[in-house]
Amino acid sequence: NAGVTQTPKFQVLKTGQSMTLQCAQDMNHEYMSWYRQDPGMGLRLIHYSVGAGITDQGEVPNGYNVSRSTTEDFPLRLLSAAPSQTSVYFCASRKREGYEQYFGPGTRLTVT
Amino acid sequence: AQRVTQPEKLLSVFKGAPVELKCNYSYSGSPELFWYVQYSRQRLQLLLRHISRESIKGFTADLNKGETSFHLKKPFAQEEDSAMYYCALLNSGGSNYKLTFGKGTLLTVNP
Repeated sequence: NAGVTQTPKFQVLKTGQSMTLQCAQDMNHEYMSWYRQDPGMGLRLIHYSVGAGITDQGEVPNGYNVSRSTTEDFPLRLLSAAPSQTSVYFCASRKREGYEQYFGPGTRLTVT
Repeated sequence: AQRVTQPEKLLSVFKGAPVELKCNYSYSGSPELFWYVQYSRQRLQLLLRHISRESIKGFTADLNKGETSFHLKKPFAQEEDSAMYYCALLNSGGSNYKLTFGKGTLLTVNP
């Protein structure tokens, strides 16, 4: 099992550019989430999904879109990047009946 | 609304000293609490779950509902314990699920 994978590992964007952060898991987990990690702010939930075709907003959803067309993939889209979105982004997954979240390695995004 | 508070951003101890990382929570239901750890250049991973009441890597954490706390403790800190520690609360009511994290405590264990 590769677990939770994220691409790219690093990305630099200019203000206004768009991009998609990829997240995939091969554990057949129903639940998937996106978090951002900022110094002094901890991890904040952006969006989450409880299954294919079902997504919902977390604590800081503005500026981000998600979709869940398959169980395996949960991409995060930045439509028009802003410097405030400079952060480290983590994807995580979990089985519905379980409790442990499995995290990806993270994507470090810088918006200039 | 659920909230997790970790009052210490930084905690520095010497090897062999006891360590306690504080966590307080607010939640209207019955909480399910966890400690996650992130070692340097590694993924965030689960350290402890309050229901299991087990000791992992010498760490223990007891849920105190009266004080709404879930402090992480280790009697003798080791250098390899240096990491970022996050307390987290799970809301699993209904079909929703949300894991709320505290802001984290960076533990440094000095030789």
